[in-house]
Amino acid sequence: EAQVTQNPRYLITVTGKKLTVTCSQNMNHEYMSWYRQDPGLGLRQIYYSMNVEVTDKGDVPEGYKVSRKEKRNFPLILESPSPNQTSLYFCASSLGTARTDTQYFGPGTRLTVL
Amino acid sequence: GQNIDQPTEMTATEGAIVQINCTYQTSGFNGLFWYQQHAGEAPTFLSYNVLDGLEEKGRFSSFLSRSKGYSYLLLKELQMKDSASYLCAVRTNQAGTALIFGKGTTLSVSS
Repeated sequence: EAQVTQNPRYLITVTGKKLTVTCSQNMNHEYMSWYRQDPGLGLRQIYYSMNVEVTDKGDVPEGYKVSRKEKRNFPLILESPSPNQTSLYFCASSLGTARTDTQYFGPGTRLTVL
Repeated sequence: GQNIDQPTEMTATEGAIVQINCTYQTSGFNGLFWYQQHAGEAPTFLSYNVLDGLEEKGRFSSFLSRSKGYSYLLLKELQMKDSASYLCAVRTNQAGTALIFGKGTTLSVSS
């Protein structure tokens, strides 16, 4: 089944404790992206990757890192999480960024930073 | 700047028709997407418009006017399961940024 998977689905952590949220897709997509979703603010892009070893900042990259060593995986790293990073996070992928390329979303990771 | 506007909330009754509007001002335009998102779940793709006019897909239709920077999503024969948020998203010419999302419209369908 074609899908985007994320782990963990739920995480409660404390300020400053490094964490990684994994994202994997099995559709051989070149483009992958991370979003955060907050009430009243909608979906905002954190980082994106056009292909292996090619990553770039989105609209809200502060406090986050990513890597793209393999085409299928795009982990999101929070080196020193803070309470303002409490949010619902979505990974998404698409074939590319051509006109008709639809983005497919993972199930989401609900992160709480105490 | 980039701006996508949609109403925050709408309510309707089962069996009715509802129209959710979206206006956009973006740097370049390469298509408009509508996504449905149930509470706590991932957005799922509903429709795509790149040319002016109406695209119909079962109970859902989406319309686009590029000259007016305007789109709407039309939902017919509403069902309780249509209660969800509906996200309007624009693909711009900006390299790398696949989609710019509006804040979403929460639709509540009552019996």
